[in-house]
Amino acid sequence: SQQGEEDPQALSIQEGENATMNCSYKTSINNLQWYRQNSGRGLVHLILIRSNEREKHSGRLRVTLDTSKKSSSLLITASRAADTASYFCATDYNNAGNMLTFGGGTRLMVKP
Amino acid sequence: DGGITQSPKYLFRKEGQNVTLSCEQNLNHDAMYWYRQDPGQGLRLIYYSQIVNDFQKGDIAEGYSVSREKKESFPLTVTSAQKNPTAFYLCASSIEVGVRAFFGQGTRLTVV
Repeated sequence: SQQGEEDPQALSIQEGENATMNCSYKTSINNLQWYRQNSGRGLVHLILIRSNEREKHSGRLRVTLDTSKKSSSLLITASRAADTASYFCATDYNNAGNMLTFGGGTRLMVKP
Repeated sequence: DGGITQSPKYLFRKEGQNVTLSCEQNLNHDAMYWYRQDPGQGLRLIYYSQIVNDFQKGDIAEGYSVSREKKESFPLTVTSAQKNPTAFYLCASSIEVGVRAFFGQGTRLTVV
């Protein structure tokens, strides 16, 4: 059973534009994480936001968390072609009690 | 050089054969995970381990088996009972379950 579900599934923007991806989840969590995956590679951790935090920044990344709506968003500002990748959210629990489960991802393409 | 290593990178298996994927970490992490990723899809949790000599089934454990005899190692066996094993397999570790995870580069398994 998937916990996080990302929206949109695919996103295509021009370099310099902002990219926003959303994640919804089903159960109470302690934290939510965002990861990036380049094609055919492993995932790289971007940011972790705890359930008592509402917003977190890291460089050009901004993550928000709304526990009342069970949703999170990842904003990448001033996107670059090198940001082209798949982005996944992950929660520490899912509704089956399993740990560190991921959503289906958003495939971002940034055109130069 | 600390990290998590998966081997081999590519693996071919004949139908009806068992095959074992290796995952080793030297990060001194207690938690380790195995995920399956199908083309264009998200990650699905197969098994995870919170500590040596202990592991739990994830969302899609049928047809797979694991062991955790050493802290550093968490091998995954894909058995002949797994009807559609062709996929990209990712191993990860974290200092404890549910927090920032570090991923290996993956093993691409193909049934021939």
